[in-house]
Amino acid sequence: SQKIEQNSEALNIQEGKTATLTCNYTNYSPAYLQWYRQDPGRGPVFLLLIRENEKEKRKERLKVTFDTTLKQSLFHITASQPADSATYLCALLIYNQGGKLIFGQGTELSVKP
Amino acid sequence: DARVTQTPRHKVTEMGQEVTMRCQPILGHNTVFWYRQTMMQGLELLAYFRNRAPLDDSGMPKDRFSAEMPDATLATLKIQPSEPRDSAVYFCASGAGTLLLEAEAFFGQGTRLTVV
Repeated sequence: SQKIEQNSEALNIQEGKTATLTCNYTNYSPAYLQWYRQDPGRGPVFLLLIRENEKEKRKERLKVTFDTTLKQSLFHITASQPADSATYLCALLIYNQGGKLIFGQGTELSVKP
Repeated sequence: DARVTQTPRHKVTEMGQEVTMRCQPILGHNTVFWYRQTMMQGLELLAYFRNRAPLDDSGMPKDRFSAEMPDATLATLKIQPSEPRDSAVYFCASGAGTLLLEAEAFFGQGTRLTVV
């Protein structure tokens, strides 16, 4: 069956450390992988997109890697801040299904001062 | 500033009643998604449209749910009859993607539905 899996347990880290979140998928061939942030009571907000032929993408303190052999993406937040506390969702864009965007369950990140 | 607008923000209804949720996508966006979010299931894709045509609604219970785009500025999601298990937050998202171009999805604030 097709699945997208993210760390189900909340991730608690100290301010200033690097947070690393994992997204694994099975039985999909995504063209793109996206990461979103969701705060309580709000809709998800887009952060980064990485294509299937890209290994790594950076944006300010964020870094995403994409390994289509392992079927895994890692999302890193360096020099984390309490304001980074939120739920982070990975999403796959599946082209052979007409541009379908499918989300993982999300990982809750808590950054303590 | 451009954003996806969903109405109503909150809806409490009795089991068996019809519920209609509305979404105004960002002007110029050609793709519209409907998602349902619960603690147990996360963000589930219910249906999506490109250029107002439905591409996939396999995530939707067909017997009670229906999704339409009467025009480019309005998408609707209807539940008839509603059941307590439909209680969730329903999100609409729009995007400007095509099969050749990457595109992010812009989400609305969601409609929190409670069926009692």
